[in-house]
Amino acid sequence: GQQVMQIPQYQHVQEGEDFTTYCNSSTTLSNIQWYKQRPGGHPVFLIQLVKSGEVKKQKRLTFQFGEAKKNSSLHITATQTTDVGTYFCAGRTSGTYKYIFGTGTRLKVLA
Amino acid sequence: SQTIHQWPATLVQPVGSPLSLECTVEGTSNPNLYWYRQAAGRGLQLLFYSVGIGQISSEVPQNLSASRPQDRQFILSSKKLLLSDSGFYLCAWSVQDSPNYGYTFGSGTRLTVV
Repeated sequence: GQQVMQIPQYQHVQEGEDFTTYCNSSTTLSNIQWYKQRPGGHPVFLIQLVKSGEVKKQKRLTFQFGEAKKNSSLHITATQTTDVGTYFCAGRTSGTYKYIFGTGTRLKVLA
Repeated sequence: SQTIHQWPATLVQPVGSPLSLECTVEGTSNPNLYWYRQAAGRGLQLLFYSVGIGQISSEVPQNLSASRPQDRQFILSSKKLLLSDSGFYLCAWSVQDSPNYGYTFGSGTRLTVV
């Protein structure tokens, strides 16, 4: 079945450093979404990417969808303590409304 | 605006006891509804999803079941809990017939089976 893996599993950075998490699917995706889950909280939708090679930005966050639509990345510039949490990607293949969530990357930001 | 309610927030249940978790959505009609489970420090595992009243799809074999008795109500149940059922249970909804909107999650139920 479809699998979505994320690397790294954990990342500790100093405040102000950049951070990137990578998402890889075993199958070609129709679109991919990104979520953030704060410690003790529930996942919150961040953004969706649909087009091959698409790049979207939200302030210090940059999201990219691979040309082959099998991978994606989230890059945070100059991390802040408010960026702490687990970032999940979620991919959907054509013909289904289900999203398969990635394994997540837990980010810790050291002040 | 749309809201999703999930309760209870925390639950401690003995092994072998029954379970009933409820999720309701307000402000929308005919949503897709989902139950996910998250083990401590782990990813999200899709348990069940529903595209309409009485329509339930199960993603993994287990001793849990789901029901959708009303359009905006989704219930997760078990007749006899196992220790391995402990986890963070999340209900979510999405727009029907539109795969291009994100999921909105409820605040979750932390279940500990003792």
